[in-house]
Amino acid sequence: QQPVQSPQAVILREGEDAVINCSSSKALYSVHWYRQKHGEAPVFLMILLKGGEQKGHDKISASFNEKKQQSSLYLTASQLSYSGTYFCGTETRGTYKYIFGTGTRLKVLA
Amino acid sequence: DTGVSQDPRHKITKRGQNVTFRCDPISEHNRLYWYRQTLGQGPEFLTYFQNEAQLEKSRLLSDRFSAERPKGSFSTLEIQRTEQGDSAMYLCASSTGTDFIATNEKLFFGSGTQLSVL
Repeated sequence: QQPVQSPQAVILREGEDAVINCSSSKALYSVHWYRQKHGEAPVFLMILLKGGEQKGHDKISASFNEKKQQSSLYLTASQLSYSGTYFCGTETRGTYKYIFGTGTRLKVLA
Repeated sequence: DTGVSQDPRHKITKRGQNVTFRCDPISEHNRLYWYRQTLGQGPEFLTYFQNEAQLEKSRLLSDRFSAERPKGSFSTLEIQRTEQGDSAMYLCASSTGTDFIATNEKLFFGSGTQLSVL
């Protein structure tokens, strides 16, 4: 089953913060985050490999709670360029499948 | 590093025709993935190659779909007897990987092939 993301969509004003969650019904061993702009390919944001790991660069960071089988992406002081659809991605342990979450559409308004 | 390239960018075909898409991964990337994406949805896993070996295939990949990666370089995805439900963006991604099982390297995506079946 694909990971479920919440919220499905969010609208922000420039400078506001947002949190996007990714929950899996199966154990997560690594989580990737990608952003896709309309008509373009997904672009890698960051990878979290260990439970409890937190990473960040610029004003985008992420955490990974292995026990809860969840990851969250934090967008701080959002910019217009943050608009797009965000996907979490994860492997399915025991297979070679790499699957993506349901997606979160983010729109940042001026 | 010229990135992942896919050809063609757009394909319009009539129902029942066969189509073939090509993906050229980043050179020396041993892992190659094919995904299908419809509007508003996340990429849906189709198949995975490690070098020339097809190690994983989604049940979604019916007998009308086939993929190859001869010599572990470029890959092709063929759809036979296309149906209107096949209309979607077909994405290819590649990555390196030292761990035989875990995906611990980021995926680089191509721009995709947009298929429209009339």
